[in-house]
Amino acid sequence: EVQLVESGGGLVQPGGSLRLSCAASGFTFSSYAMSWVRQAPGKGLEWVSVISGSGGSTNYADSVKGRFTISRDNSKNTLNLQMNSLRAEDTAVYYCAKNMRSGSYYTDPFDFWGQGTLVTVSS
Amino acid sequence: EIVLTQSPGTLSLSPGERATLSCRASQSVSSSYLAWYQQKPGQSPRLLIYGASSRATGIPDRFSGSGSGTDFTLTISRLEPEDFAVYYCQQYGSSPRTFGQGTKVEIK
Repeated sequence: EVQLVESGGGLVQPGGSLRLSCAASGFTFSSYAMSWVRQAPGKGLEWVSVISGSGGSTNYADSVKGRFTISRDNSKNTLNLQMNSLRAEDTAVYYCAKNMRSGSYYTDPFDFWGQGTLVTVSS
Repeated sequence: EIVLTQSPGTLSLSPGERATLSCRASQSVSSSYLAWYQQKPGQSPRLLIYGASSRATGIPDRFSGSGSGTDFTLTISRLEPEDFAVYYCQQYGSSPRTFGQGTKVEIK
């Protein structure tokens, strides 16, 4: 059974940093690109970042480029998101999401999502 | 960036009725790389449809998708009580992958 469990959310001041993690199990983690998708309170879904299965390719939404860094540790089946220079508009539930097909990158939907972790940026 | 516009914003229907949700793209979605997700309050999204018309694993056949180019439709043939939720379309044919703003299907 595929499981994705996010952690690391919390309250942080504007300008601060936070590191999110997503522990994956139930599939061959290194074969699948993984993404972070966020959802502001009461709002819709926004894709944030993607990383290829090997970790060699990454992409970011313009809204977070230069501030967020996605990474993965395939030996530990873990996906990470380092978030720096946080702003109030980064407040959201952050989900990790798995690509549907092995070997795909961005031309794939998300077939499994974690339960999400809430990040609140406020003074 | 491809902008997806969903309509209506809210759909008020009774159990047993048919629901028709629309998703219109600002430019053509390549290879019909269009997906639909369902999200219930307090839950993460669930993939329903991919490739515009293929049902994801375990999705009941009352859910169907259609369309191509810039116009796509999700149809729920007969609403069950568990189908009342928010539905999002997503294009994944070009980067960044973008979502529509959602359609809420509520009980009338």
